[in-house]
Amino acid sequence: QSALTQPASVSGSPGQSITISCTGTSSDVGGYNYVSWYQQHPGKAPKLMIYDVSNRPSGVSNRFSGSKSGNTASLTISGLRAEDEADYYCSSYTSSTTWVFGGGTKLTVL
Amino acid sequence: EVQLVESGGGLVHPGRSLRLSCAASGFTFDDYAIHWVRQAPGKGLEWVSGISWNSGTIGYADSVKGRFTISRDNAKNSLYLQMNSLRVEDTAFYYCAKGSSSSLRGSFDYWGQGTLVTVSS
Repeated sequence: QSALTQPASVSGSPGQSITISCTGTSSDVGGYNYVSWYQQHPGKAPKLMIYDVSNRPSGVSNRFSGSKSGNTASLTISGLRAEDEADYYCSSYTSSTTWVFGGGTKLTVL
Repeated sequence: EVQLVESGGGLVHPGRSLRLSCAASGFTFDDYAIHWVRQAPGKGLEWVSGISWNSGTIGYADSVKGRFTISRDNAKNSLYLQMNSLRVEDTAFYYCAKGSSSSLRGSFDYWGQGTLVTVSS
């Protein structure tokens, strides 16, 4: 149950687009379309932003999108806004009937 | 409105036990899997355990297997986590998270606010 690999930090200016990668193995990200992304602001509970690789829950802005290629999933945020500054975590279901999270990525909006 | 309210956290000595509870409301509890996810202060998220709608499928992270036991009472709309042989590294905020499906495969679509467990001598 090794954690998925995410960059520790990314940054972008308002209006720009950024992409956060999430790399796993064929036993998790590559083997299932059960990849999700969570946004967490300081002192708050996580919020689901993307589920099943590329689906957005009701109420989540269409500026957020997800994709997957092989063992790597990606979260793209377009038209960056100040309120997007937060920590982002990917997560995947695994062949062991468990879930595994990435280490988290701190997004800074410059 | 979906609500998940955790309770039972606190300060405990290493080797001792603690039982967490999660009270759910605002949805049909026995239609969905439920999970525990923890976060050590200043650190990332770690999935701890999950239980399917009818308790037929249960999963644990390797870090807690054999020490923690998850259970649910659908009649009381409640989830539990019995934590035994606690270690300093179990110190974290423990979140209850609703699954988006009846099996363990669904993502975590609603989260509680968490309860803090501190393991220290």
